[in-house]
Amino acid sequence: AQSVTQPDIHITVSEGASLELRCNYSYGATPYLFWYVQSPGQGLQLLLKYFSGDTLVQGIKGFEAEFKRSQSSFNLRKPSVHWSDAAEYFCAVGAGTGGFKTIFGAGTRLFVKA
Amino acid sequence: NAGVMQNPRHLVRRRGQEARLRCSPMKGHSHVYWYRQLPEEGLKFMVYLQKENIIDESGMPKERFSAEFPKEGPSILRIQQVVRGDSAAYFCASSPGVGEKLFFGSGTQLSVL
Repeated sequence: AQSVTQPDIHITVSEGASLELRCNYSYGATPYLFWYVQSPGQGLQLLLKYFSGDTLVQGIKGFEAEFKRSQSSFNLRKPSVHWSDAAEYFCAVGAGTGGFKTIFGAGTRLFVKA
Repeated sequence: NAGVMQNPRHLVRRRGQEARLRCSPMKGHSHVYWYRQLPEEGLKFMVYLQKENIIDESGMPKERFSAEFPKEGPSILRIQQVVRGDSAAYFCASSPGVGEKLFFGSGTQLSVL
């Protein structure tokens, strides 16, 4: 069965420090992979996605993610965190034909300290 | 181009009442998805609909829950005889086609007293 694991429930980083959010997935075929961000009281916004091709994907707001098939991982990174990045981050895998049934991880809450 | 619109933002119901959650997809999107988010959990897929058709409802509880996406008007998620365990945030998303990027609404927070 398809599943997504985000092992870190909470992460705290200092403003200006680098960030890496971990994501591991379980899926039989080549997956569609996504990272979404959810600000408090808001819906989700797509940061980036991977379907095929270059395994290093650039997204919005300075985020990037790297698909590593051998590790079944799709970790999200940002070289320098801003206070406005504090939010909940969800990794997701597109399952089903064409990836329509997107399966989400439990999320990682990012806190940014001054 | 307005985004995905969900209403109401907050809905309070007493046990045994019915809850109706509405979702208007983005213009031009014919695919609608409903997700439920429980505290400290991720988003759980509930149902996937295209206009007038339910494509996949494998995430829907077998009883009390139903969804529709009529030819005209918004998609409706209906919960009959609500119980406290139904309290959650319900998110709707839409996409222009299968496998394409999902656009999410701001969600409806359902509270059952």
